[in-house]
Amino acid sequence: QKEVEQNSGPLSVPEGAIASLNCTYSDRVSQSFFWYRQYSGKSPELIMSIYSNGDKEDGRFTAQLNKASQYVSLLIRDSQPSDSATYLCAVKDTDKLIFGTGTRLQVFP
Amino acid sequence: DTAVSQTPKYLVTQMGNDKSIKCEQNLGHDTMYWYKQDSKKFLKIMFSYNNKELIINETVPNRFSPKSPDKAHLNLHINSLELGDSAVYFCASSPLGQPQHFGDGTRLSIL
Repeated sequence: QKEVEQNSGPLSVPEGAIASLNCTYSDRVSQSFFWYRQYSGKSPELIMSIYSNGDKEDGRFTAQLNKASQYVSLLIRDSQPSDSATYLCAVKDTDKLIFGTGTRLQVFP
Repeated sequence: DTAVSQTPKYLVTQMGNDKSIKCEQNLGHDTMYWYKQDSKKFLKIMFSYNNKELIINETVPNRFSPKSPDKAHLNLHINSLELGDSAVYFCASSPLGQPQHFGDGTRLSIL
């Protein structure tokens, strides 16, 4: 059974700080990784995708991938209260996504 | 608006009833999905269709039957509803092999 693991949190950070969200996955041959943000009562929204080892930056978001360690992370710089949500890590398995249980992020003013 | 739209948004019904959820996407995607998100927020694939053909069928009770009349629509029919079916059901779509875009979800509550 392929698995994606995340710490459920909550992860609490002050406004302006860097939030670091982590994810590990079990299938060594996985090639595609995604971060979704889900506000309470809303649908998951794709915010980042990463396919190669290293860092990928998009605005305040940086995704980091280390395939040797089977580890993917999401950094949110200058965290804002509006970033408070659950962040879901997803790994592509053939034509479907396997999701982690999500990490709840709370950014306090 | 371009989107993945689901109806109804909320569904409250008695145990044992049969109900359907409808999904439509106007993004031109070939592939559509049904996911279930339980009370612990765990999101799990149920079914996937590519160009009206079933390509993913996870371990789901056969009370659940998806139907895709065309590649823009994927409906989910549930027979003999049980308490454990209470969840949020998300429809999603994507080009084959690409990240998925989710609808707003249908919150199903079984009394």
